[in-house]
Amino acid sequence: QLVLTQSPSASASLGASVKLTCTLSSGHSSYAIAWHQQQPDKGPRYLMKVNSDGSHNKGDGIPDRFSGSSSGAERYLTISSLQSEDETDYYCQTWDTGIRVFGGGTKLTVL
Amino acid sequence: EVQLVESGGGLVQPGGSLRLSCAASGFTFSTYGMTWVRQAPGQGLEWVNYISSSSNTIYEADSVKGRFTISRDNAKNSLYLQMNSLRAEDTAVYYCGRANDGPFDYWGQGTLVTVSS
Repeated sequence: QLVLTQSPSASASLGASVKLTCTLSSGHSSYAIAWHQQQPDKGPRYLMKVNSDGSHNKGDGIPDRFSGSSSGAERYLTISSLQSEDETDYYCQTWDTGIRVFGGGTKLTVL
Repeated sequence: EVQLVESGGGLVQPGGSLRLSCAASGFTFSTYGMTWVRQAPGQGLEWVNYISSSSNTIYEADSVKGRFTISRDNAKNSLYLQMNSLRAEDTAVYYCGRANDGPFDYWGQGTLVTVSS
């Protein structure tokens, strides 16, 4: 079964960097994922696609502060030079024939 | 500029029906798959269904199979979600999204559906 696992929360200091993790279920470590950001009471915003080799393709207008990487079944979203507006929810998403899947989301707090 | 604008949400009684629409602009609608995703109050994102560019392929989450129907009209640049036999647990904000192969790369602002007596 295709499942994505995210930690419910993460925190980092203003101006620092943070690395959010999305873990693919067993047997799915070759799958690509997408990262989405969702501000309160707004629709999600696509950030990037992260492939199993660590390459990533960002969405339109996504700042250079956002980057993606991979290791095994883990896919990462790194946000550098954290700003107050980065404090919000982040979701990973993946896909297979017949199904699309979201992780449970990570709420990022900027201290 | 890609824009997706949902409409049609509202209050409906359990067992009732509702039809959502999503108006697309700023891209060649007929060449992209489209999706509906929902978010219950205070909860995460839940994928609902997907339709391919030519409507040949449709995928659905088990939670809505037999009750919800996704469709599209490429001539009108519009996506639809027909929701029947609505339940309290269908209460959510419903988002339409553009499917760029796997990732959903553009989203609407959402429309709220409340199922309550």
